[in-house]
Formats: sequence, C-alpha cells, structure tokens
Amino acid sequence: DAGVIQSPRHEVTEMGQEVTLRCKPISGHDYLFWYRQTMMRGLELLIYFNNNVPIDDSGMPEDRFSAKMPNASFSTLKIQPSEPRDSAVYFCASSPGPLDEQYFGPGTRLTVT
Amino acid sequence: GENVEQHPSTLSVQEGDSAVIKCTYSDSASNYFPWYKQELGKRPQLIIDIRSNVGEKKDQRIAVTLNKTAKHFSLHITETQPEDSAVYFCAANTNFGNEKLTFGTGTRLTIIP
Repeated sequence: DAGVIQSPRHEVTEMGQEVTLRCKPISGHDYLFWYRQTMMRGLELLIYFNNNVPIDDSGMPEDRFSAKMPNASFSTLKIQPSEPRDSAVYFCASSPGPLDEQYFGPGTRLTVT
Repeated sequence: GENVEQHPSTLSVQEGDSAVIKCTYSDSASNYFPWYKQELGKRPQLIIDIRSNVGEKKDQRIAVTLNKTAKHFSLHITETQPEDSAVYFCAANTNFGNEKLTFGTGTRLTIIP
C-alpha cells in the first residue's frame, strides 16, 4: 500500500477563496482523521470518521470548515471562505480501529495570504 | 474533555545520554497512551504505545512507563543518537461517548553530537 495520500502538498491562496484538501486513506482502514498543526496550538483533531460516517466534529473551528467522506477511499476538508489564520499544516491519518496506530499522510501546507 | 500536558517543551542532551519526556492526563478512564515522533518537515509516526494493563513497555532504546494512579506516563530514550532529534508527542484517549486521541503540545528534542 502507498500509505495515506494527501493532495495538494502545498496550497497558497488568497483570503476569501475556497480551499479543498483531499485524502485517500489506507485501504481497509475504517477510521479517518483530519488534524491541523500549528506552532501555537500544536496538533489538533478537527474531525474523524468511522466507516465514512462523521463521529466527532467538535474540533472543527467554525462553520467555514466542512469535511466529507463520500466513500471508503476518499475524504475532503473544505474551508470556505479561507482566512490568514487558517494557515497551517493539515494532516490526514487513518487507522484500522479507534485505538490502533494512526498512519499519517505527508500533510498539506496551507498558506492563506 | 481530556487534557494532556507535556514537559519539557524543549530538551537538549549530549549524544549517548538519556532523555526523559513526561506527560500527565486528566481522564481517569483513559487506557491507551501512544507516543509519536515527528522529524523536521515530516509526518508524525508512532514509535511506541502502552495500554493501561501494563506499567512499562520497552522497544530497544525506547521505553514508556505508566502510572495510572498518578495519571502520568513518560518516554525514556537511552543511548541517544543524532537521529533521535525530533519533536515527540504524547497522547491519551478519551472516551466520552466516542474514542479519540488528545495530543500533548510536543517536546523538541535536540541531540548534541
């Protein structure tokens, strides 16, 4: 397996634009997690899915953020409209179970100017 | 929810010496405690984890100890090498209706040659 795949790896956009981050989890993993990493706030869980169903979205900062998982092999995290404070590295991770090793993707570095 | 505190935030040790990173957690029901290592510009990767039915676990030069009574757990790295330089994150699970991990704020470990 190629591991967790994320795209794009880097995204630079202007404030107010819509941003879509994509993730392909490891095949067979039932859990998918979206994290945001910044120097100030560390590694924060935004939302996670179990079998494509969102289980906990309490970490989603506000209504500008949304996430979907239309099937077992694809998930998106969307920010609309984007703001400079959204600049961060966004990681997607997957695992077989909720308390199994989480395999992280390479991350998407988002810069909002 | 779960609160995980990690200390120190930075740590420098001479090559060959030992390094210890400590974490405390708040949820007495937590029973899974992983440690992730993140090298500069890379993704977090699991290096060791411990479950509450054991007090210590070792894997070559790294070990984790758990004190459930005091609600703290520690990472020990012996005979440190330059490739141990990274940011280390502890985490603990929370089980308020669903399972998820809360991460500590990270420790930047620098090994001095």
